[in-house]
Amino acid sequence: EADIYQTPRYLVIGTGKKITLECSQTMGHDKMYWYQQDPGMELHLIHYSYGVNSTEKGDLSSESTVSRIRTEHFPLTLESARPSHTSQYLCASQSTSGSIYEQYFGPGTRLTVT
Amino acid sequence: KNQVEQSPQSLIILEGKNCTLQCNYTVSPFSNLRWYKQDTGRGPVSLTIMTFSENTKSNGRYTATLDADTKQSSLHITASQLSDSASYICVVSDRGSTLGRLYFGRGTQLTVWP
Repeated sequence: EADIYQTPRYLVIGTGKKITLECSQTMGHDKMYWYQQDPGMELHLIHYSYGVNSTEKGDLSSESTVSRIRTEHFPLTLESARPSHTSQYLCASQSTSGSIYEQYFGPGTRLTVT
Repeated sequence: KNQVEQSPQSLIILEGKNCTLQCNYTVSPFSNLRWYKQDTGRGPVSLTIMTFSENTKSNGRYTATLDADTKQSSLHITASQLSDSASYICVVSDRGSTLGRLYFGRGTQLTVWP
């Protein structure tokens, strides 16, 4: 069982609100990722980090921002939520031991913007 | 274009029956192929990871096969159980970047009926 946590699990919020989705892992992994997933669709990478003070945008354009001040913590922030941000957000961290780098996923945050 | 295609999109089987899910990919250069199980409202959990040199790998009642020449993989589930109801996602990793980029399929939604 991977030790990666996301809060909140579900969030319903009004348009224009600022929100932060939390992600924490206790495995000491340097690499962390945020994915966005709509029902029946594939996961899309929106942000990733190679370590503290390292953040990069992924393939899918996103209005969200991330920060990585501590190894274990990788929060995602939306400054002004819109209905188009309604989706499931999955956080993952990656092991760098061995020859195959396993990614472990958190349980996800289901965000609904009304 | 690097893509991962899965079939069927959805599948319904009776408890105790076997089933096989398919995955075709065009990702190049190829590093490894993973199968994940994603329960509704949860993050994906890894079932198997196979490298270029492996053509079969088992995890309990799950057996994955890989044909790197034809770029095809399958996931065989034996003696299905109600708890197998989930989305099964095929993920291919390339070795063309330090990121070890993951390409996700849209998943096969499996429903097991009693």
